[in-house]
Amino acid sequence: KNEVEQSPQNLTAQEGEFITINCSYSVGISALHWLQQHPGGGIVSLFMLSSGKKKHGRLIATINIQEKHSSLHITASHPRDSAVYICAVHDGNQFYFGTGTSLTVIP
Amino acid sequence: DGGITQSPKYLFRKEGQNVTLSCEQNLNHDAMYWYRQDPGQGLRLIYYSQIVNDFQKGDIAEGYSVSREKKESFPLTVTSAQKNPTAFYLCASSIEGSDTLGYYGYTFGSGTRLTVV
Repeated sequence: KNEVEQSPQNLTAQEGEFITINCSYSVGISALHWLQQHPGGGIVSLFMLSSGKKKHGRLIATINIQEKHSSLHITASHPRDSAVYICAVHDGNQFYFGTGTSLTVIP
Repeated sequence: DGGITQSPKYLFRKEGQNVTLSCEQNLNHDAMYWYRQDPGQGLRLIYYSQIVNDFQKGDIAEGYSVSREKKESFPLTVTSAQKNPTAFYLCASSIEGSDTLGYYGYTFGSGTRLTVV
């Protein structure tokens, strides 16, 4: 069993739709990251969360420590949001990575 | 601009040959990491280094070797002992090892796709 589970694995949306990607984890964590992997392979860190909620532009990330669950929301989705989104948690010693959610936004 | 540079982007290797993947960072980060990504799987840790001249095995270190002679550089050698080396390899770095996580404290390179032919 993976320490980090993401859903859905694949997601196709129409431009403008509100998107939610979910992440559940089973380890005690010090922080959770949402990462974005572009088609070329490069990864950028979108958010680091240890509690509550963060917002950057059209992206919102929330975390519920008690329920061991985080969500990444994209408002007014755009084709340039098409990428793989990876949830990663850190337990104080190492990272555990989800397998990613592949998002395709259709114009 | 600060960042991590991985080279080359694509690499082809014949079976039985060793190959070295380059990772350089100018972020003044203490820790550096190598991950392997396979289709349908999460990133898996190969090796990490929290300080110059010291490194530790990750979950899948067999068939790989690393060195950390300079803070800026953490090359990964894929040896002929690695049974299934075809994969996407990502290098990352972080500030003050794994206990410090700022918003920009964990940075990834753009990756190297290795194919064994």
